[in-house]
Amino acid sequence: AQTVTQSQPEMSVQEAETVTLSCTYDTSESDYYLFWYKQPPSRQMILVIRQEAYKQQNATENRFSVNFQKAAKSFSLKISDSQLGDAAMYFCAYRSNTGNQFYFGTGTSLTVIP
Amino acid sequence: DTGVSQDPRHKITKRGQNVTFRCDPISEHNRLYWYRQTLGQGPEFLTYFQNEAQLEKSRLLSDRFSAERPKGSFSTLEIQRTEQGDSAMYLCAAGRLYEQYFGPGTRLTVT
Repeated sequence: AQTVTQSQPEMSVQEAETVTLSCTYDTSESDYYLFWYKQPPSRQMILVIRQEAYKQQNATENRFSVNFQKAAKSFSLKISDSQLGDAAMYFCAYRSNTGNQFYFGTGTSLTVIP
Repeated sequence: DTGVSQDPRHKITKRGQNVTFRCDPISEHNRLYWYRQTLGQGPEFLTYFQNEAQLEKSRLLSDRFSAERPKGSFSTLEIQRTEQGDSAMYLCAAGRLYEQYFGPGTRLTVT
């Protein structure tokens, strides 16, 4: 089974600063999808950003961008101009193009300091 | 609003009792997933439906767990003879293709 590793259980960032969350994954497949999800305290999980493995260009969504390194099997999330509302658990997830399961990491808890 | 609702939001039950959870996605979401999430962990895949067909089940899903999705609309997850180890958040997600939108979850506490 594929594994997704988030090596930073907790991170903190000053408001308006930039923070990068790390994610690595293990797979033998060449075609897959990677995701970052945000889970605010006591609220439901929402999709932040998605990356298709066949695309070389890194995905961006407003203040959120990824650094996708396919050879290194690395998929980091950069949050620019951090806001108080960015405080949440962030989960990295993997889905094969041929399978149906999503595999999640253990999450990174992000604190935004005013 | 992700268009996925779950009921109930909280359930407290005694060990040995049966519980059933419901998930209601919007009609366009033909794919539906159930996950279990314990404190400090990411969601763990339990099962997957495409329309009404249950296409995948995790090895985590013991024979005490059963899920249905009649007519490809809402889905139910039943746990029989609950154990304390079943205490967790049960998440439903739905979508099309490779996307998934999560519901708010049902928090189960087994006493």
